[in-house]
Amino acid sequence: AQTVTQSQPEMSVQEAETVTLSCTYDTSESNYYLFWYKQPPSRQMILVIRQEAYKQQNATENRFSVNFQKAAKSFSLKISDSQLGDTAMYFCAFLLHNAGNMLTFGGGTRLMVKP
Amino acid sequence: DTAVSQTPKYLVTQMGNDKSIKCEQNLGHDTMYWYKQDSKKFLKIMFSYNNKELIINETVPNRFSPKSPDKAHLNLHINSLELGDSAVYFCASSQDPSGETQYFGPGTRLLVL
Repeated sequence: AQTVTQSQPEMSVQEAETVTLSCTYDTSESNYYLFWYKQPPSRQMILVIRQEAYKQQNATENRFSVNFQKAAKSFSLKISDSQLGDTAMYFCAFLLHNAGNMLTFGGGTRLMVKP
Repeated sequence: DTAVSQTPKYLVTQMGNDKSIKCEQNLGHDTMYWYKQDSKKFLKIMFSYNNKELIINETVPNRFSPKSPDKAHLNLHINSLELGDSAVYFCASSQDPSGETQYFGPGTRLLVL
């Protein structure tokens, strides 16, 4: 079974600065996907970024980028130029390819962006 | 133009009651899911349906029964509600079960008194 670990329960960052959220996972498989989801106080789960394990290039979406280290089984999220609207819970998630599509989530990191 | 919608958003009920949560997606996706988020924010899959057929059923009490009348709908019926069922329930959908991105509904907060 796959496990996902987010070792930082809470983090804070000043507006306009950069913050990195950590995520590690455990799997013996080689073909999988990794995701970061954001859950603001509104409770909605919003996809932030996605990474296919077979791609060496790190995914980027505007101010959000990942550092995917497959050998180390690490998938961190970097948020540049942090904005107040980035305040949310962030969940790292793992999805095994062609295995019924069961997303396994980490425990979440609560990020507070301070003005 | 909501992609994945759930009703109701909030549900407060007494122990022992039976309740349903409805989910609809207008994305044309083949696969739909139910997830449960507990009070500590931990998210766990409950069920997965592909083209109206059950493909994942995690260790969930049989008081929970999903029903998929068509590809666009996956409803969750809960019998004999217990205090421990209090949680936020999320519906999600994806194009197919092979690994596509899942898109989530807004969640339904269920409180059992």
